[in-house]
Amino acid sequence: AQSVTQLGSHVSVSEGALVLLRCNYSSSVPPYLFWYVQYPNQGLQLLLKYTTGATLVKGINGFEAEFKKSETSFHLTKPSAHMSDAAEYFCAVSLYNQGGKLIFGQGTELSVKP
Amino acid sequence: NAGVTQTPKFQVLKTGQSMTLQCAQDMNHEYMSWYRQDPGMGLRLIHYSVGAGITDQGEVPNGYNVSRSTTEDFPLRLLSAAPSQTSVYFCASASQGYYGYTFGSGTRLTVV
Repeated sequence: AQSVTQLGSHVSVSEGALVLLRCNYSSSVPPYLFWYVQYPNQGLQLLLKYTTGATLVKGINGFEAEFKKSETSFHLTKPSAHMSDAAEYFCAVSLYNQGGKLIFGQGTELSVKP
Repeated sequence: NAGVTQTPKFQVLKTGQSMTLQCAQDMNHEYMSWYRQDPGMGLRLIHYSVGAGITDQGEVPNGYNVSRSTTEDFPLRLLSAAPSQTSVYFCASASQGYYGYTFGSGTRLTVV
């Protein structure tokens, strides 16, 4: 079985500051990892994904994440926050042999202060 | 392409009533899933399907039924609605080789 833990239900940063959203996973087989973003009253949009290959993955809107197997982590970062980044972010995991089953973390709400 | 279409967008039910939330995708995706979203709990998987005729339970399946008779459609049935089923429901689909789900815009359900 797989599971995801997102550390911090709310994160607040100043505009221009580094964004770091933490995600740790648990799985018995190699995982596929995802970050999604949800703007208010909207559905979810895929930011980036890791399946195999390069462990540092780049996504949309300047976000990137690094898969660290030894730390079972997949933290999301962005060098410089923009006001438009304010949203809720979800980390998710599926297993390579259960691609249809995607499990989400509890979510982290990102606030950006001017 | 319409992507993933969910209907209705809003629904109010009385306790004990039954209803079906519709989900259709036009991308020929093999995988389809249903999630519910509640404050502070993220998205929890209700049921999922890896192809027509194949469904499986997720994290919170009780009180919900699904079937997948075609690739395109994956309806979610509430058998006897309870206030605890008040939530926002999302349907999603993905191709077998992509592993990234595309989400619908959601159905906001209130059970009174």
